[in-house]
Amino acid sequence: DIQMTQSPPSLSASVGDRVTITCRASQSISSFLNWYQRRPGKAPKLLIFAASSLQSGVPSRFSGGGSGTDFTLTITSLQPEDFATYYCQQGYNNPPTFGPGTKVDI
Amino acid sequence: QVQLVQSGAEVRKPGASVKVSCMASGYSFTSYSLNWVRQAPGQGLEWMGLITPSIPATTYAQKFQGRVTVTRDTSTSTVYMELSSLRSEDTAVYFCARKTLVQGNAFDYWGQGTLVTVSS
Repeated sequence: DIQMTQSPPSLSASVGDRVTITCRASQSISSFLNWYQRRPGKAPKLLIFAASSLQSGVPSRFSGGGSGTDFTLTITSLQPEDFATYYCQQGYNNPPTFGPGTKVDI
Repeated sequence: QVQLVQSGAEVRKPGASVKVSCMASGYSFTSYSLNWVRQAPGQGLEWMGLITPSIPATTYAQKFQGRVTVTRDTSTSTVYMELSSLRSEDTAVYFCARKTLVQGNAFDYWGQGTLVTVSS
């Protein structure tokens, strides 16, 4: 199975900050990398698919980049509703695997 | 609009089985695979398996082989996930999720989640 790691595990930020989360795959996954947001008590929400494509309805302050093994999720101008846990997921092969998550709090 | 609506919370004793349902609406049920993902307390997201409703064909994570069964009913656009031989470590929120048809193989719509508690 492809192992996914994320850094940092958690971070503290303020409204208006720019935040970058990193995800690394244990082998090359081309651009088969997706990002999700999970708020407490809610289902995960797809933010970015195929490394850099913004899911419909997701604000443009979210952006993704990278290919191969190293990827980033950037949130420019953090909003109150962005305080959540973020997960990366590889869709390169089965089984799909997720990173351990990055918790963004105040 | 696309919706995945799951059945309610369940409590089971160790060794028992549980069956969780996921009813799909707002899209062509047979055109997308439906996946099951769980999250135990304090843990990450873990993929369990999928079903391609049109065939139907299933694929399961090796960890759950022999304990999980995913089925579908096309007449009601519902997918079921049954997990047997439950143990306390199976206490988790279980989600169904639709896989996209575009590059990335992402999960674009999710059910609301079903809490399964395994306790004696």
